[in-house]
Amino acid sequence: GQNIDQPTEMTATEGAIVQINCTYQTSGFNGLFWYQQHAGEAPTFLSYNVLDGLEEKGRFSSFLSRSKGYSYLLLKELQMKDSASYLCAVRDGDYKLSFGAGTTVTVRA
Amino acid sequence: IAGITQAPTSQILAAGRSMTLRCTQDMRHNAMYWYRQDLGLGLRLIHYSNTAGTTGKGEVPDGYSVSRANTADFPLTLASAVPSQTSVYFCASSDSGGAYEQFFGPGTRLTVL
Repeated sequence: GQNIDQPTEMTATEGAIVQINCTYQTSGFNGLFWYQQHAGEAPTFLSYNVLDGLEEKGRFSSFLSRSKGYSYLLLKELQMKDSASYLCAVRDGDYKLSFGAGTTVTVRA
Repeated sequence: IAGITQAPTSQILAAGRSMTLRCTQDMRHNAMYWYRQDLGLGLRLIHYSNTAGTTGKGEVPDGYSVSRANTADFPLTLASAVPSQTSVYFCASSDSGGAYEQFFGPGTRLTVL
């Protein structure tokens, strides 16, 4: 099984940077995903890491260290529309995802 | 249809009644999934199907059943609903047996009284 931990809540100011950490303990690892979920909506895909290192996609970056069981999602130049929950998910060898409980990010003006 | 759809959007159900949540995708994805999302617990996998004609149990399968008669449809059935099944249910699909990211439907909010 998977044990995935991420902070419950984070607050940041518009224009700032926020880093959401995710640690995991897994019986099989085949990639790590980050999803964004606005209140009352479906999760949408943000990023994917399977090898160690940093993946950058515009204002969002995701980092993975497989040896440490650790990932983070970095949100730069925060905008009000970035207020949402961010879900860390680990994929196992059977291509099934296990999700963390999510981190609610609130962006203040 | 564009993407993945779910029906109904929301439902209030009396305990003991049966209910089928519908999920349809037009992306020709071979893998499909059902999750429930509860406050503080995140998304938990109920059942999945890697390809039409096959299904498997996820983390929380008790009280639920699924079928996969074709590529597009993946209905979830609650045979005899209980209040603990009150939740938001999301259907998702993925290409290549789950090798790529999962796309989620808009969800069904189910309340069992």
